[in-house]
Amino acid sequence: AQKITQTQPGMFVQEKEAVTLDCTYDTSDQSYGLFWYKQPSSGEMIFLIYQGSYDEQNATEGRYSLNFQKARKSANLVISASQLGDSAMYFCAVGDRGSTLGRLYFGRGTQLTVWP
Amino acid sequence: NAGVTQTPKFQVLKTGQSMTLQCAQDMNHNSMYWYRQDPGMGLRLIYYSASEGTTDKGEVPNGYNVSRLNKREFSLRLESAAPSQTSVYFCASSEYRSEGTDTQYFGPGTRLTVL
Repeated sequence: AQKITQTQPGMFVQEKEAVTLDCTYDTSDQSYGLFWYKQPSSGEMIFLIYQGSYDEQNATEGRYSLNFQKARKSANLVISASQLGDSAMYFCAVGDRGSTLGRLYFGRGTQLTVWP
Repeated sequence: NAGVTQTPKFQVLKTGQSMTLQCAQDMNHNSMYWYRQDPGMGLRLIYYSASEGTTDKGEVPNGYNVSRLNKREFSLRLESAAPSQTSVYFCASSEYRSEGTDTQYFGPGTRLTVL
């Protein structure tokens, strides 16, 4: 099993500023996937961004980028130009290649609050 | 295109009652999953299904059974509900590829309370 650590239970950022949400993981797999999901107060899980462990370039999706440092086993999410609608819980997850399909292991999440 | 749908959205049970949570996806995905989310926790895998006709246990399978009815549908059954099963349940699906790390897309969740 993988262990995913999100050390920031809560983060605050002012609108239009950038924010980094931390994620570290512990895996013995050589090949794996890293994911970030957003969970707004309405409760649904929204996929944000994916990074493969063999990808050399950091993934980007619009205002989201993933700062991937493989040697440190770190996969931080960077949100640029924060918006009020970014206020939500954010989960980091690692995809397992050890079994026959890609199971996901989740961290406990970081609650992001964006203030005007 | 509905994606992943779950029914019901909310449910209250008494201890010992049974119920089935339904999940369906219209994305033609091979793999489907059931997770539970408890307060202050991330999601934990209950059961998963790599393809129609196959199911496997995840991290927290005790007290649950599943059925992969066909490629679209994956149901989760609580035979005798317990207060410890009070949680939010999410169904997800993904297009399994050989790389094994596919993006999972989630349903809206079912909020279950067991009294």
